[in-house]
Amino acid sequence: GNSVTQMEGPVTLSEEAFLTINCTYTATGYPSLFWYVQYPGEGLQLLLKATKADDKGSNKGFEATYRKETTSFHLEKGSVQVSDSAVYFCALLLTGGGNKLTFGTGTQLKVEL
Amino acid sequence: SAVISQKPSRDICQRGTSLTIQCQVDSQVTMMFWYRQQPGQSLTLIATANQGSEATYESGFVIDKFPISRPNLTFSTLTVSNMSPEDSSIYLCSVDAASGSSYNEQFFGPGTRLTVL
Repeated sequence: GNSVTQMEGPVTLSEEAFLTINCTYTATGYPSLFWYVQYPGEGLQLLLKATKADDKGSNKGFEATYRKETTSFHLEKGSVQVSDSAVYFCALLLTGGGNKLTFGTGTQLKVEL
Repeated sequence: SAVISQKPSRDICQRGTSLTIQCQVDSQVTMMFWYRQQPGQSLTLIATANQGSEATYESGFVIDKFPISRPNLTFSTLTVSNMSPEDSSIYLCSVDAASGSSYNEQFFGPGTRLTVL
């Protein structure tokens, strides 16, 4: 079946530090890949996406590259801010499968001054 | 993009009662979904709400416990029936806003935070 594995949190960083949150996937077929962010007390927001191999999604300084050879979609940011503190979810979607998202378990990020 | 609202935003309910959650979208969408996010957990898909027909439920979820309505292309409801404390979760509505460059992109509502005592 399809699955998404994320690095466990919580991850605590100092402001301006480099961020990497690992995400790997297993899928039958060629999924689209997504990162969603959930700020405290809020719903999910789409952060970035990539729909095919070697695509790079980017938004708000975050980036992730769709690596088919390693089945990975790691999230990176060069310099985090306190306002980036949130839970980050990696997800995949296979078309033709009812357009249903499969989520990872989420990684909590806490950025301190 | 699609703007989604949910009502209520939160509620505290007694064991054995039922709660109906509403999801309203600002544009017509083909697919609507209901997810559950239990405390500290990831999202689990409950069902796909189909317009004009019965919802399609995922393994572990049944219509008697989570009846869903989808009367048109902009609105859906999820009812959590005969609630127990284990139903305490955030319930989220999402829509598939496939259109042009936003292929297969899903948007989520703000969620309904349910606490069952």
